[in-house]
Amino acid sequence: QVQLQQSGPGLVKPSQTLSLTCALSGDSVSSTSATWNWIRQSPSRGLEWLGRTFYRSKWYYDYAEFVKSRITINPDTSKNQFSLQLNSVIPEDAAVYYCARGSMGAGFGAFDIWGQGTWVTVSS
Amino acid sequence: EIVMTQSPGVLSMSPGERATLSCRASQSLNSKLAWYQQKPGQAPRLLIYGASTRATGIPARFSGSGSGTEFTLTISSLQSEDFAVYYCQQYNKWPPGTFGQGTKVEI
Repeated sequence: QVQLQQSGPGLVKPSQTLSLTCALSGDSVSSTSATWNWIRQSPSRGLEWLGRTFYRSKWYYDYAEFVKSRITINPDTSKNQFSLQLNSVIPEDAAVYYCARGSMGAGFGAFDIWGQGTWVTVSS
Repeated sequence: EIVMTQSPGVLSMSPGERATLSCRASQSLNSKLAWYQQKPGQAPRLLIYGASTRATGIPARFSGSGSGTEFTLTISSLQSEDFAVYYCQQYNKWPPGTFGQGTKVEI
């Protein structure tokens, strides 16, 4: 079955870059039947979609407006994974970060497979 | 951005009872509405998409209904494993897909 395995540090210093990776098994990051998303969750802000990448003859990227200037999502086809980079982090970026697959059955807007989550703390 | 509002915030129920959770959108969603269940320490799990279609492996006691701006998740007979937090999410105006703040179903 499809699984997403997250990795990356759980502690980031303010102003530095948060970097997480999501490795796929049972599906391909180059699949034309899926999108690959990053979502975060905090007690103060709830669940927030951050961005996605997907392949449809070429790579596409969408980002939420509130992080657009600081975020990069990159696919890595050689390792069948995708990554999140969030620059210039602030304490309000502390959250549990999830990677998730967008479901073709739901028009790619609902998320049917999730990673295990990474709790990220922002502190010096 | 579409704002999603869930009610009630907390639903106190007993096993075997019927639970009804509501989700209201600030704009019409054309049935592009999903429901998720989340248990402590776990990622959300997709229950319903397209307002009323159960995701793979989801028991029939979970059902979704509604259209336009008003949606409902019904759990016909609560099992012990159903006590959790439930979120709705719109994906009509995308991106972003915005989530509600959640309804906690507790014993």
